Amino acid sequence: DAGVIQSPRHEVTEMGQEVTLRCKPISGHDYLFWYRQTMMRGLELLIYFNNNVPIDDSGMPEDRFSAKMPNASFSTLKIQPSEPRDSAVYFCASSFSSPRNTEAFFGQGTRLTVV
Amino acid sequence: AQKVTQAQTEISVVEKEDVTLDCVYETRDTTYYLFWYKQPPSGELVFLIRRNSFDEQNEISGRYSWNFQKSTSSFNFTITASQVVDSAVYFCALENAGGTSYGKLTFGQGTILTVHP
Repeated sequence: DAGVIQSPRHEVTEMGQEVTLRCKPISGHDYLFWYRQTMMRGLELLIYFNNNVPIDDSGMPEDRFSAKMPNASFSTLKIQPSEPRDSAVYFCASSFSSPRNTEAFFGQGTRLTVV
Repeated sequence: AQKVTQAQTEISVVEKEDVTLDCVYETRDTTYYLFWYKQPPSGELVFLIRRNSFDEQNEISGRYSWNFQKSTSSFNFTITASQVVDSAVYFCALENAGGTSYGKLTFGQGTILTVHP
């Protein structure tokens, strides 16, 4: 398996523009997570899905952020409108709900810069 | 509420030295998992180990070893005979087991390890 695939790897956008980050989880995994990494706040969970259904979005910073998972192999995180403080590395991760193997596997991240 | 504290922000060592990265956690749950992840300069997060709260046996994997002590809520990570390739940011993380929280991690702030040649 290719692992968790995120695109784009880097994104530079102007303030006010819409940004869409994409994620393809590992095939067969039933959990998908979006994390954000910043210097100030470290790694924080934004939202996660189980079987394509959002379970907990309490980490989403504000209404400008939205996430969808239309099927088991694809998820998006959208920011509209984007602001400079949204600049961060966004990670997608997936895991399989087995009591023996619950580690989350991370994608390589999308480095977002909002200017 | 859960919390993971990595008190060491940065550690600098010379190659071949042993180094221990500290991790202290807080949770009200009796069943949980502890993790260590490595983030090399390339930026990805690499899984190193997962530990079940019921298993306090220490674990060794090559030059890496982990010491889990429930009594002090600590899960420390030691690298023996460090190498330059070990230079990275290391994250300790906590996951409460069961329910709908598979893979939902609470991370520490990370420890930047620099190994000098």
